[in-house]
Amino acid sequence: EIVLTQSPATLSVFPGERATLSCRASRIVGTNLAWYQQKPGQGPRLLIYAASARATGIPDRFSGSGSGTEFTLTISSLQSEDFAVYYCQQYNNWPSLTFGGGTEVEIK
Amino acid sequence: QLQVQESGPGLVKSSETLSLICSVSGGSIRSGAYYGGWIRQAPEKGLEWIGSFSYSGNTFNNPSLKSRVTMSVDMSKNQFSLRLSSLTAADTAVYYCAVRATYQTFDYWGQGTLVTVSS
Repeated sequence: EIVLTQSPATLSVFPGERATLSCRASRIVGTNLAWYQQKPGQGPRLLIYAASARATGIPDRFSGSGSGTEFTLTISSLQSEDFAVYYCQQYNNWPSLTFGGGTEVEIK
Repeated sequence: QLQVQESGPGLVKSSETLSLICSVSGGSIRSGAYYGGWIRQAPEKGLEWIGSFSYSGNTFNNPSLKSRVTMSVDMSKNQFSLRLSSLTAADTAVYYCAVRATYQTFDYWGQGTLVTVSS
C-alpha cells in the first residue's frame, strides 16, 4: 500500500498570506495525485488532479505541483472560505487509492 | 452536474451488517465511463477508502477490510450500494459515496451519512 504523509498537521496562517502544504508518497506515483478540501459537515471537494490541474470552478489562487513522491499545494492568498482541512490522495493504481492524514489550515 | 446522496440507518448493532445506498441524480450511471466508490471517516480521523467499482462490473476493495465489503449497482434506479458485514465499534464513521465522472479520480461526493455501531 502506498502511504501518503502530509505536513504540517496544522498550519496557522493570517488571511491574505500564502499557505504551502506538503504531501510525500512512500513510493513513486508519477503525477497521479489529487488534493481535496473538506469543511465541517461536508464531503470533500476536488481541487487539484494530476498533481497540478485545477478542477472546474476552482480559483486560481490554488495551485499544485510536484511529481514522483513529493507534492505541494499552494494557496497564494488565503481567503476566509479557505480555512479547512486539505487531503492529498494518490490514485496511481486506480481504482485503488489512499489518502494522506490531512492538514488543517486555521486562522492565525 | 451530478449529485450524489447517501442514505441508510444511523445506528446499527455490533456483529450485524450495514447497508447503505448512494443515489445519483443529474446524470445516468449507465455510462461505462463512470466509476463509483465508498470512503469513510471515523470521528476526528482522516479519510479511508473502502472500495471502488466500475459500472462494467469490476470491484476493488481495501485489503484492510478483507471480505467484509460487498458493492453492487442498480442501474434502473441510478443507485449503488454498500454492504459491510461483521460490524464492530471501529466501523463507526461518516460514510461517503463518490463518483468519478469527469476527472481521473472521484470528483462528485455526497454529504456523508453518520453510522454508529452500538454494542
